[in-house]
Amino acid sequence: EAGVAQSPRYKIIEKRQSVAFWCNPISGHATLYWYQQILGQGPKLLIQFQNNGVVDDSQLPKDRFSAERLKGVDSTLKIQPAKLEDSAVYLCASSSRTSLGYNEQFFGPGTRLTVL
Amino acid sequence: GESVGLHLPTLSVQEGDNSIINCAYSNSASDYFIWYKQESGKGPQFIIDIRSNMDKRQGQRVTVLLNKTVKHLSLQIAATQPGDSAVYFCAENGREYGNKLVFGAGTILRVKS
Repeated sequence: EAGVAQSPRYKIIEKRQSVAFWCNPISGHATLYWYQQILGQGPKLLIQFQNNGVVDDSQLPKDRFSAERLKGVDSTLKIQPAKLEDSAVYLCASSSRTSLGYNEQFFGPGTRLTVL
Repeated sequence: GESVGLHLPTLSVQEGDNSIINCAYSNSASDYFIWYKQESGKGPQFIIDIRSNMDKRQGQRVTVLLNKTVKHLSLQIAATQPGDSAVYFCAENGREYGNKLVFGAGTILRVKS
């Protein structure tokens, strides 16, 4: 079974520039998550999709971050404009469904963003 | 508030020894806990989980212990190998979180050969 795919793996930009990350979840997984992992910290959830609808975006800085999952499969996370503090690894994860219980999340390799 | 913390940021062990990684959680309403392993340049990988109605669960070379009285979680790795070197995170989940995970800061495990 293919895992969660992300691209690019690395990105270096200057502050105030824009950047986009792409994620392709495991086939058939309805739930998709974007996490931000700052160096030395655990991942922090930014947004959760169930199919193409947003379930939780309470920790997404909506003034500069946006995400979409138009067809309920691939997803894109965008930052515009980037700030120095956005330097982090952006992880995408997917799980088979959301129900009353927890469903295992499978993580991609992440995109390491450096903002100069 | 939501927070999961770790007692030891870095743990160095000799190959073949047992490792114990600890985690304190603050939300007594959490009912599901997971340990993840993250190697350099990779995403977190599921190791083992435990529900709050259990106090111990064993996997292959790993054991998770849960002490709800003191809100403490530990991961025991038997016969630690160089391939176990990584950052280990505990994460918690509760019914009010939906499927949202709250991660701790992580512990670095270094295995010396």
